[in-house]
Amino acid sequence: NAGVTQTPKFRVLKTGQSMTLLCAQDMNHEYMYWYRQDPGMGLRLIHYSVGEGTTAKGEVPDGYNVSRLKKQNFLLGLESAAPSQTSVYFCASSIRPGGLAGDTQYFGPGTRLTVL
Amino acid sequence: AQKITQTQPGMFVQEKEAVTLDCTYDTSDPSYGLFWYKQPSSGEMIFLIYQGSYDQQNATEGRYSLNFQKARKSANLVISASQLGDSAMYFCAMREGLDSSYKLIFGSGTRLLVRP
Repeated sequence: NAGVTQTPKFRVLKTGQSMTLLCAQDMNHEYMYWYRQDPGMGLRLIHYSVGEGTTAKGEVPDGYNVSRLKKQNFLLGLESAAPSQTSVYFCASSIRPGGLAGDTQYFGPGTRLTVL
Repeated sequence: AQKITQTQPGMFVQEKEAVTLDCTYDTSDPSYGLFWYKQPSSGEMIFLIYQGSYDQQNATEGRYSLNFQKARKSANLVISASQLGDSAMYFCAMREGLDSSYKLIFGSGTRLLVRP
């Protein structure tokens, strides 16, 4: 049981390049999230998904796109990377909220992205 | 206005002593959840403890307890018998029930250093 995994762990891009970050979870969770963490700050929500085939915008969605074609996977895409997108990206998942611990979010190990 | 406030950017504690990390929150939603996460230097986000807004008793998980004072809108984390491995960043987060995304709103964190 791997929990939440993220690929890749590190990446360096040049301005204007594109890339996709992959998040996978094996806990059969309905909800998945992408956050970014900048130095000295807490995490901020980029996009989220409440189930397979659904996506929605979070707090800081500009410059990112997402897709959830399979329940276990949540992809985050950068179409044209900018230096302002240098950050650590975290994926998280939770089961459908309802139970006492149903809304606990479990996080992946993070992806450190640098855009030059 | 900030919804989650952690006023202690950094703290020191002597090994084996107890320490309290402060967290205040702001919401008008009667249904909400409060979480604490630990982020060690390796970068992953580790769930520690959860408190629901309707919970009558303070949450406890091993050496972690949450001092929940609803009227004061505070949810302080208490770590008893500090260990060297407790040195990390600690984030307080809130989930509002009326927000259908169930996203987490994070504070800016407190860096705890445990002295031997």
